[in-house]
Amino acid sequence: AQKITQTQPGMFVQEKEAVTLDCTYDTSDPSYGLFWYKQPSSGEMIFLIYQGSYDQQNATEGRYSLNFQKARKSANLVISASQLGDSAMYFCAMRDNTDKLIFGTGTRLQVFP
Amino acid sequence: DSGVTQTPKHLITATGQRVTLRCSPRSGDLSVYWYQQSLDQGLQFLIQYYNGEERAKGNILERFSAQQFPDLHSELNLSSLELGDSALYFCASSVGYSFSYNEQFFGPGTRLTVL
Repeated sequence: AQKITQTQPGMFVQEKEAVTLDCTYDTSDPSYGLFWYKQPSSGEMIFLIYQGSYDQQNATEGRYSLNFQKARKSANLVISASQLGDSAMYFCAMRDNTDKLIFGTGTRLQVFP
Repeated sequence: DSGVTQTPKHLITATGQRVTLRCSPRSGDLSVYWYQQSLDQGLQFLIQYYNGEERAKGNILERFSAQQFPDLHSELNLSSLELGDSALYFCASSVGYSFSYNEQFFGPGTRLTVL
């Protein structure tokens, strides 16, 4: 069965530092997609970045990059130059072959000055 | 703003009651997904519709049902409500399904509180 594991319930980072949020996944499908979403305290789900299983290069979107290690089945999110507004819950998700998203339990990131 | 709208934003009701949550997808999106976010279950997929037809079903209770109308808006009906149904219900939409990159855009959610 497909599964997403986020082992860090909470992370702290100082403003302007980089932080890595861990995500491992389990699937037997050769074709899948991996997503990261941000959920601030207001509750909405904000798409951050996507990595396809066949993509050769790691995805990047501004300050966000995805460290995709296929053999290790990991898809860690790296946030560079953290900002106070990055404080939120972060969810890793996998799109399976039926197109639904399977979410991890999330990591609460707190950025301090 | 994702372009996905959900109404109402908040809903407070009593056990045993029935409610309807409404979702309008982004213009041009044919797929609608419903997710439930609760403290004990996390974020769970409930059901997906594509162009009016049910396409995938997740951990959706029999007391819950959904449909997608010809104008592509969707409704999630929750009946015989229990305290444990209190959660944030998200609707998401995407262009289609099973494309190599098929981002799902989430609405702001409906927070349901069952008293």
